[in-house]
Amino acid sequence: QKEVEQNSGPLSVPEGAIASLNCTYSDRGSQSFFWYRQYSGKSPELIMSIYSNGDKEDGRFTAQLNKASQYVSLLIRDSQPSDSATYLCAAFPSDSNYQLIWGAGTKLIIKP
Amino acid sequence: EAQVTQNPRYLITVTGKKLTVTCSQNMNHEYMSWYRQDPGLGLRQIYYSMNVEVTDKGDVPEGYKVSRKEKRNFPLILESPSPNQTSLYFCASSAYGDQPQHFGDGTRLSIL
Repeated sequence: QKEVEQNSGPLSVPEGAIASLNCTYSDRGSQSFFWYRQYSGKSPELIMSIYSNGDKEDGRFTAQLNKASQYVSLLIRDSQPSDSATYLCAAFPSDSNYQLIWGAGTKLIIKP
Repeated sequence: EAQVTQNPRYLITVTGKKLTVTCSQNMNHEYMSWYRQDPGLGLRQIYYSMNVEVTDKGDVPEGYKVSRKEKRNFPLILESPSPNQTSLYFCASSAYGDQPQHFGDGTRLSIL
């Protein structure tokens, strides 16, 4: 059973600090990874995609991928109250059935 | 504007009354998918489609039907809805199966 695991939280972070969200995956052959942000009752919104080992930065967001350890993380710098949401991690598996494997999400709360 | 459009956004109906939730995308995407999201269970895939006339079951297909007669449209059909299908439903599309998915705004279904 291929899985993506996330701590459900809530993760509480003071405004202005760095929020660190982590995700582990079971399929060693997974090649594509995605972070989505979802506000309550709204649809998931793509934040970052990452395909190779290392860091990928986009504004205040940095995605980190470590395939050897099978984890992917999302760092949010200078956290703002508007970053409060649930963050979903997803991995594209190595087989060809084209089904993304989704984590259950981590709820992030940014405290003013 | 590139978008995935779902209709209706909200629907309250009764057990056994057939209903269809429409989904349309204007990005010429090949891949389309339906998810349901329930509290504590995360996103679960119902059906997906790799291209016109090509559909396959996701993780929770029971009680649902889909069709893909045109590239842009991927309707979700509940032939005989039951209360356990009360949920928040999302349609998503991507250029290809392994690309990031773009989500519609969601349809909140209540089956009484």
